[in-house]
Amino acid sequence: GQQLNQSPQSMFIQEGEDVSMNCTSSSIFNTWLWYKQEPGEGPVLLIALYKAGELTSNGRLTAQFGITRKDSFLNISASIPSDVGIYFCAGQLDGSSNTGKLIFGQGTTLQVKP
Amino acid sequence: DAGVTQSPTHLIKTRGQHVTLRCSPISGHKSVSWYQQVLGQGPQFIFQYYEKEERGRGNFPDRFSARQFPNYSSELNVNALLLGDSALYLCASSLAGQGTYGYTFGSGTRLTVV
Repeated sequence: GQQLNQSPQSMFIQEGEDVSMNCTSSSIFNTWLWYKQEPGEGPVLLIALYKAGELTSNGRLTAQFGITRKDSFLNISASIPSDVGIYFCAGQLDGSSNTGKLIFGQGTTLQVKP
Repeated sequence: DAGVTQSPTHLIKTRGQHVTLRCSPISGHKSVSWYQQVLGQGPQFIFQYYEKEERGRGNFPDRFSARQFPNYSSELNVNALLLGDSALYLCASSLAGQGTYGYTFGSGTRLTVV
């Protein structure tokens, strides 16, 4: 199935470091969402972006909706051990709003060393 | 307030059998979407239902079907199970049929086909 290109695939960082991950697509999206998933749980929404160029923060997390509408990034500042998990980008293709269909990236696995 | 609830949490079935998975949306949410998440990948869209009508369908065979009830709960049915159907099945509910506002996932049903 169609997926977004998410990178990096995995990251192993030291506590306190900043983290950056991104998603790209050849198609135009009208919505970008960033989720975190922990073992045995469903994805939990972190940040939602609905407008090209939009920059939104949620605590130590910041995400941006790319101007071209084909990409988005998520930054985590001053990482802590509880940031461990799999982070997914998800987008809604332009013109598919009435289907509610989200397309997900492959995920970025984040590990934080105390 | 209860979130999205899914049942059962785990299930083991034999190839060729049929399975029914259930989802109760957040109170007030009228739309339910189903996703399949194979280990190591992002979720893949299967269906969206809004007001008991199918609004969107992903690239899945006809062995997959779903329905939504008057109380907005939903069932996902899979016939003639294959080994490749082993996955985490996620349900997400949202306020309306359009867009992804308020999109919230349940913890999923882990299906193992042997």
